Amino acid sequence: DIQMTQSPSSVSASVGDRVTITCRASRGISSWLAWYQQKPGKAPKLLIYAASSLQSGVPSRFSGSGSGTDFTLTISSLQPEDFATYYCQQVNSFPFTFGPGTKVDIK
Amino acid sequence: EVQLVESGGGLIQPGGSLRLSCAASEFTVSSNYMTWVRQAPGKGLEWVSVIYTGGSTYYADSVKGRFTISRENSKNTLFLQMSALRAEDTAVYYCAGGKRTTNWYDYWGQGTLVTVSS
Repeated sequence: DIQMTQSPSSVSASVGDRVTITCRASRGISSWLAWYQQKPGKAPKLLIYAASSLQSGVPSRFSGSGSGTDFTLTISSLQPEDFATYYCQQVNSFPFTFGPGTKVDIK
Repeated sequence: EVQLVESGGGLIQPGGSLRLSCAASEFTVSSNYMTWVRQAPGKGLEWVSVIYTGGSTYYADSVKGRFTISRENSKNTLFLQMSALRAEDTAVYYCAGGKRTTNWYDYWGQGTLVTVSS
């Protein structure tokens, strides 16, 4: 199975800050990676697919990059509605696996 | 507006069975990849299963042999039949629909809670 790790596990940031979250796969997954945002009590929301493609309707302050084993989600200027937990997921091979999540909270 | 609505969750004893449903509107279950993802209380997301448009199915090792994903096209509904339930299956179960025939899941239900306890 492909193991996904994320760092940091949590980050405290202020509105307007640039936030970067890293996701690493235990072996190469090309660009078969998605990023999801989840708020408490809500379903996940697709932000980025194919490592760097912005999902329709998602603000352009979100961006994704990377391929192979190392990936990054960047929020260029954190907004109040961005405080949430972020998960990466590989869909390169079964079983599909999620990273453990990164919680972004208010500094 | 696309809607995916899960139902069928509840309290079940260990070893019991339960069937979850995911009814879709403005979205055709048979034309899109469909998946189940679960989240144990206070924990992260765990992929459970997927069904492809051609009918192929895949499962997480933790549920293989106990859970079965299926769909009923006439009802435009996705199912997850769960048997031999264990305490560790306790979670909110989400269904999600992919962007056509891809594993990028852009439509999600609200989730249904399954609690396995005696």
